[in-house]
Amino acid sequence: GNSVTQMEGPVTLSEEAFLTINCTYTATGYPSLFWYVQYPGEGLQLLLKATKADDKGSNKGFEATYRKETTSFHLEKGSVQVSDSAVYFCALPGYQKVTFGIGTKLQVIP
Amino acid sequence: GAGVSQTPSNKVTEKGKYVELRCDPISGHTALYWYRQSLGQGPEFLIYFQGTGAADDSGLPNDRFFAVRPEGSVSTLKIQRTERGDSAVYLCASSLTGRALETQYFGPGTRLLVL
Repeated sequence: GNSVTQMEGPVTLSEEAFLTINCTYTATGYPSLFWYVQYPGEGLQLLLKATKADDKGSNKGFEATYRKETTSFHLEKGSVQVSDSAVYFCALPGYQKVTFGIGTKLQVIP
Repeated sequence: GAGVSQTPSNKVTEKGKYVELRCDPISGHTALYWYRQSLGQGPEFLIYFQGTGAADDSGLPNDRFFAVRPEGSVSTLKIQRTERGDSAVYLCASSLTGRALETQYFGPGTRLLVL
């Protein structure tokens, strides 16, 4: 079945630091890939997505490139802000259900 | 517009009791999903409704868990004879039609603690 492996947190960075959160997946066929974000006290929100190999999803300064050869979808941001503090989930959508990674908590300190 | 809402936000109960968790999806969304998120884990799928019917309940862990959506809008997740292992955050999501890869919009969740 589908599975997602995501680096464990927590990750603590200073403001303006570079962020990478690793994600790899196992799936049959050619799935789409998502990153969700959960801000404190809020529901999960779709952050970005990519629907085919070599696609780059981007939103709010975050980027992730769908790499079929390495089955990866790493999340990156060049300069994090305190407001980016949240839990980030890599996710693999199926026919209806979504398979999530364990989540990586990011804390950005001023 | 209003997002997905869930009530209560927190529920504390005793082992063996019955609980009901409510989800109000985005108006007009025909698809509704329940997930469970245990501490330190990502959300895990429980059940998917298309309209009033449960189209996929393969994620329900056992027969103590049941969910309904009688009018195709609000849904209730019901847990009988609760156990301490049921403690988790229960998330509800909805999407417009339920088509594959469609964006699911999540509520804030209900945090259930079974003592």
